[in-house]
Amino acid sequence: DQQVKQNSPSLSVQEGRISILNCDYTNSMFDYFLWYKKYPAEGPTFLISISSIKDKNEDGRFTVFLNKSAKHLSLHIVPSQPGDSAVYFCAALEGGTYKYIFGTGTRLKVLA
Amino acid sequence: KAGVTQTPRYLIKTRGQQVTLSCSPISGHRSVSWYQQTPGQGLQFLFEYFSETQRNKGNFPGRFSGRQFSNSRSEMNVSTLELGDSALYLCASSPTGTDYGYTFGSGTRLTVV
Repeated sequence: DQQVKQNSPSLSVQEGRISILNCDYTNSMFDYFLWYKKYPAEGPTFLISISSIKDKNEDGRFTVFLNKSAKHLSLHIVPSQPGDSAVYFCAALEGGTYKYIFGTGTRLKVLA
Repeated sequence: KAGVTQTPRYLIKTRGQQVTLSCSPISGHRSVSWYQQTPGQGLQFLFEYFSETQRNKGNFPGRFSGRQFSNSRSEMNVSTLELGDSALYLCASSPTGTDYGYTFGSGTRLTVV
């Protein structure tokens, strides 16, 4: 049972345009969410996070939106750059645990 | 500041064998987590250790085990290897485990033949 779902396995976007990556979750006990970026042959690197008490967090070109009622979060990258091409994972943390639940990832390709 | 170091980077084993993977966390980090990454499954949580104690365990069979040493270094062991155990095994560390945003190592690519 996949508690964190990334339903789009891949996404292609033109350079300079907006990339929107989506993530849905089922467990209402999740209280913290993160996005990681992963290049081939490297471990995931932390990108941005959001607490369940917020609905938006921004860091430069990256913005994460959280819709708790819909159990949905999204990552916006504006403007998209070729170097953003990677696999993006969303992850959720259930309060009081030390276990992150990851989605299956979305491969983003930014076309020059 | 050195990152999370995993050894070896690549490993090929035969079905039925056992394997031990090693992880050295960032200096000062006391929490170490292990994940298995396979195509289509994302990162699956294996277990988390803090101060030599396992605090959380994922839904993996008992063939998967781990431990943490007093210097916070951690090892993961898989016994009686199966073909389906072929995966990238990732280790992540954080100061206490309740910090958000773990730092991952580059992983150990295990191939079982």
